[in-house]
Amino acid sequence: KNEVEQSPQNLTAQEGEFITINCSYSVGISALHWLQQHPGGGIVSLFMLSSGKKKHGRLIATINIQEKHSSLHITASHPRDSAVYICAATSGTYKYIFGTGTRLKVLA
Amino acid sequence: DGGITQSPKYLFRKEGQNVTLSCEQNLNHDAMYWYRQDPGQGLRLIYYSQIVNDFQKGDIAEGYSVSREKKESFPLTVTSAQKNPTAFYLCASSSKLGTEAFFGQGTRLTVV
Repeated sequence: KNEVEQSPQNLTAQEGEFITINCSYSVGISALHWLQQHPGGGIVSLFMLSSGKKKHGRLIATINIQEKHSSLHITASHPRDSAVYICAATSGTYKYIFGTGTRLKVLA
Repeated sequence: DGGITQSPKYLFRKEGQNVTLSCEQNLNHDAMYWYRQDPGQGLRLIYYSQIVNDFQKGDIAEGYSVSREKKESFPLTVTSAQKNPTAFYLCASSSKLGTEAFFGQGTRLTVV
């Protein structure tokens, strides 16, 4: 069992839909990261959070420390949101522990 | 613009050859990292460097080597000892070890 688990693995949505991607972790963490990987392969950091909720544009990330669970929400989804979304945990050391990613496709 | 530059984007290598992947950053970050990505798996850490002239093995260092002679540069050599080198390689940097990382665009290596 991976220390960081994501669901679903694949997700197809229609433009405008509200999307939720889930992440559960089994390790103690200092921060939880949400990353976006576009088809070309480069990775962009979306959020780093250790408690509560963060919002950036149409993206919202939440974390529940007691339940060891985080969610990434996309409101009013758009085809340009199509990417792989990766959850990763850091535990105060050098190391990121990555989930396997959620491949999102938003159809026009 | 500040950022991390990896080159080349695509690389082909014959079996038995060593190949070096470039990673340069102008973010003035002390820490740099190399990750490998395979289909269906999370990124795995190959090597990391906390500071110039220092580097440490990650989880899957066998068959790889690195150097950190300059703060800006952290090249990765995939040696002929790496049994399954075909993969996507990502370089990252952070201001200090363990802080938020910034990633490059990656290099896709194919062994032919």
